[in-house]
Amino acid sequence: EDQVTQSPEALRLQEGESSSLNCSYTVSGLRGLFWYRQDPGKGPEFLFTLYSAGEEKEKERLKATLTKKESFLHITAPKPEDSATYLCAVQKKSSGDKLTFGTGTRLAVRP
Amino acid sequence: NAGVTQTPKFQVLKTGQSMTLQCAQDMNHNSMYWYRQDPGMGLRLIYYSASEGTTDKGEVPNGYNVSRLNKREFSLRLESAAPSQTSVYFCASSLWAGVPYEQYFGPGTRLTVT
Repeated sequence: EDQVTQSPEALRLQEGESSSLNCSYTVSGLRGLFWYRQDPGKGPEFLFTLYSAGEEKEKERLKATLTKKESFLHITAPKPEDSATYLCAVQKKSSGDKLTFGTGTRLAVRP
Repeated sequence: NAGVTQTPKFQVLKTGQSMTLQCAQDMNHNSMYWYRQDPGMGLRLIYYSASEGTTDKGEVPNGYNVSRLNKREFSLRLESAAPSQTSVYFCASSLWAGVPYEQYFGPGTRLTVT
C-alpha cells in the first residue's frame, strides 16, 4: 500500500535556526513528489516538484531534495513568515494525475 | 486570473440536509479534484475529473456526488449530510498533460454538520 509519512508532526524554531523536514514515501513507480505550503485557513500553495532521485530545487530560504525513499525540505535561516504547515504529496505513474498526501509538518518560527 | 474559486466559504448544515459546493477555475486546466481535510488525516481525495465529461471516485467517495458541468466548473453535492462530513473541503485543478503537473487549490469551504 502506498504510504507518505512526514516528520516531525510539529517543529518550533528560533528565527535563524536552520532545520529540515522529512517526507518518507513507499510508492511503486514514482512519477513526481510535490511540496506545498499551507497557511491557517487557506488552501495549499505549490512550492516544488521533484522528479528523480538526486534532484534539488531551491526557492528563497527553502531547498527540496529527493532520494529513492524520502525527500527533505531544508529551511535555512527561517523567518517568522515561514511559519506554516508544509505538506508533501506523491504521484504514481499508474495513477494518472492523482496525488497522495502526507499529514504535514506544522512549523512555527519564533522571532 | 482568479485561479480556483470556491463557494461558499462557510456552511452549517443540520443532519439530513443537502447542499452543493461550487468550484470554478479560470486556468484552462483539464483535471479537477475535490478533497477533504481533517485533523491528523491529511488531504484525502473524494472525487476527481480527468477531463470534461468524466468523473471518478477517489479514496473517500461515500456520501458524495459530483458533476463536471463544463471545463471550468466542478461541483460536489452532499445529498444527506452527516456529522462525519464535518470537514474543510478543497477544490483543486491541474493541467495534466501526461507529465507531473502541480495542482492548484482553492481557499476551501469549512462545513459543519450538526
